[in-house]
Amino acid sequence: EAEVAQSPRYKITEKSQAVAFWCDPISGHATLYWYRQILGQGPELLVQFQDESVVDDSQLPKDRFSAERLKGVDSTLKIQPAELGDSAMYLCASSLLTDTQYFGPGTRLTVL
Amino acid sequence: KQEVTQIPAALSVPEGENLVLNCSFTDSAIYNLQWFRQDPGKGLTSLLLIQSSQREQTSGRLNASLDKSSGRSTLYIAASQPGDSATYLCAVDRQSGNTPLVFGKGTRLSVIA
Repeated sequence: EAEVAQSPRYKITEKSQAVAFWCDPISGHATLYWYRQILGQGPELLVQFQDESVVDDSQLPKDRFSAERLKGVDSTLKIQPAELGDSAMYLCASSLLTDTQYFGPGTRLTVL
Repeated sequence: KQEVTQIPAALSVPEGENLVLNCSFTDSAIYNLQWFRQDPGKGLTSLLLIQSSQREQTSGRLNASLDKSSGRSTLYIAASQPGDSATYLCAVDRQSGNTPLVFGKGTRLSVIA
């Protein structure tokens, strides 16, 4: 069964350092989402891609976060510099048009 | 702005009980409603998706209903098992579909053997 892949699964970094997360969606899924989930909360959208184009990045803190999906397949989310408040689970999801969103295992980030 | 509320925040039941988890949303203009399961430190597993034109969906011991006009959904779990212990999240998207999900904070379920 096809799955959304994410790496790394865990990342510990010190504040002010740069971190990057990678996501490989299910093959053929044109829509890709990055969500952030703070402990005890539901996930919240950071950015949505349709193929290689950004559809919604209104909640992405653009002063420190960036996201790209250059060939419309896999995607990278970067944080530079990381802050203590960025500690969270970063989830990637993909979907076919209006279908179910399928989530990856997530990357748990801890900023010290 | 869409807001999703889940009640209760936590629930503990003995094994074998039937239980209901509640979800409410403020804007009835949705396309899909999804229920997810999340184990501690893990990603989300989709359990059921209900399109706005549907009233309910069933999968095994799970049944989800949707009353779009009143902004409510319920997830019914029959004959609960310790393996059902997890956090259950409800999420909705916008009426056009292919839009980001808005999540509730989840209900943390513990099924005691």
